Amino acid sequence: KQEVTQIPAALSVPEGENLVLNCSFTDSAIYNLQWFRQDPGKGLTSLLLIQSSQREQTSGRLNASLDKSSGRSTLYIAASQPGDSATYLCAVRGARQLTFGSGTQLTVLP
Amino acid sequence: EAGVAQSPRYKIIEKRQSVAFWCNPISGHATLYWYQQILGQGPKLLIQFQNNGVVDDSQLPKDRFSAERLKGVDSTLKIQPAKLEDSAVYLCASSQGLAEGYEQYFGPGTRLTVT
Repeated sequence: KQEVTQIPAALSVPEGENLVLNCSFTDSAIYNLQWFRQDPGKGLTSLLLIQSSQREQTSGRLNASLDKSSGRSTLYIAASQPGDSATYLCAVRGARQLTFGSGTQLTVLP
Repeated sequence: EAGVAQSPRYKIIEKRQSVAFWCNPISGHATLYWYQQILGQGPKLLIQFQNNGVVDDSQLPKDRFSAERLKGVDSTLKIQPAKLEDSAVYLCASSQGLAEGYEQYFGPGTRLTVT
């Protein structure tokens, strides 16, 4: 059974800092990995999707990497802003379903 | 393109009562998912439909939860009777198809509080 772990559970940083969020998964037989953002009381917004054959994806200030063999992914956020404050979830797509981690709650202080 | 719509956004009920949630997927999306997200956890898949057929309901507590997708478009998730541990956000998602390459798009969710 696939298990997805995100560390840390919560993170607080000053505005302008670069930061890294971590995601690990136990079964490397995945099709893709996705990073989502969730704001309080809202649904999930997809940030980046990395196919299993890819090593990284970039969108604006966000860069996500994938090392399938070691079961790890990182989400790098450059020059963080208070508007980046949210919970970030990673999810891996296996043969049957999408399995989510518990998320990292990020607070960017002005 | 309109996103996934869900209603109601919030619901408060007492334990042992019944509740129903509604989802309207993105137009043309054949696959529909219901997830349960308990506070502090990631979403957990409850049931997955392809058109109006159930693909996977292995994690649905069938003694109290039921779901249907009439005519392969809208879907309803019902809980009867509700328990305190059912307090969660219920998320609906849709995708173009079952294949792994299709991205899932999520609705805003329904926050259920059972007292």
